[in-house]
Amino acid sequence: GIQVEQSPPDLILQEGANSTLRCNFSDSVNNLQWFHQNPWGQLINLFYIPSGTKQNGRLSATTVATERYSLLYISSSQTTDSGVYFCAVSRIQGAQKLVFGQGTRLTINP
Amino acid sequence: DAGVTQSPTHLIKTRGQQVTLRCSPISGHKSVSWYQQVLGQGPQFIFQYYEKEERGRGNFPDRFSARQFPNYSSELNVNALLLGDSALYLCASSLSDRAYEQYFGPGTRLTVT
Repeated sequence: GIQVEQSPPDLILQEGANSTLRCNFSDSVNNLQWFHQNPWGQLINLFYIPSGTKQNGRLSATTVATERYSLLYISSSQTTDSGVYFCAVSRIQGAQKLVFGQGTRLTINP
Repeated sequence: DAGVTQSPTHLIKTRGQQVTLRCSPISGHKSVSWYQQVLGQGPQFIFQYYEKEERGRGNFPDRFSARQFPNYSSELNVNALLLGDSALYLCASSLSDRAYEQYFGPGTRLTVT
């Protein structure tokens, strides 16, 4: 099946810093989503981005489908950005089975 | 508009028991999927249902089953619980089987003792 790798596994930054999270996937996909998991376990939708670039406030994402990677950018980090960020993909055929990476744990210190 | 809702929030069961988890999708969404997330890992796909039919099944034993009702809500059942079934169970909904963006509920945290 499709493999999803996220890097780095852990990232510790000071408030105000910028960060880049990477997601590599092993095959062509029809869906790529970025989520932020809060401390209570809720997965918050950040981007639905199977290709191209999107921006939402301090967050932006780019997916280069032909090279099988996606990047999530967080600018001017705030302590509330802390948590685990997941990339998830699904393939064209079959069920809407999202395959998740192992996540990047982001810690923003004041 | 309400998001995806799940009940109960927390649940404690003993080994060998059976459990039923419930999910209501976003209004207008017809597809529901279930995921299991064990501590420290990403969620793993269990089932997808669309229009009351199973559209996909992950690599889980037959102790796991699910169904979808005419109002598109769904139940996940797990029989003969094992300690390893302790996890956060997440439900996701999407507009249809052709609409790929999925929205997740808050989850049910199951502890098996």
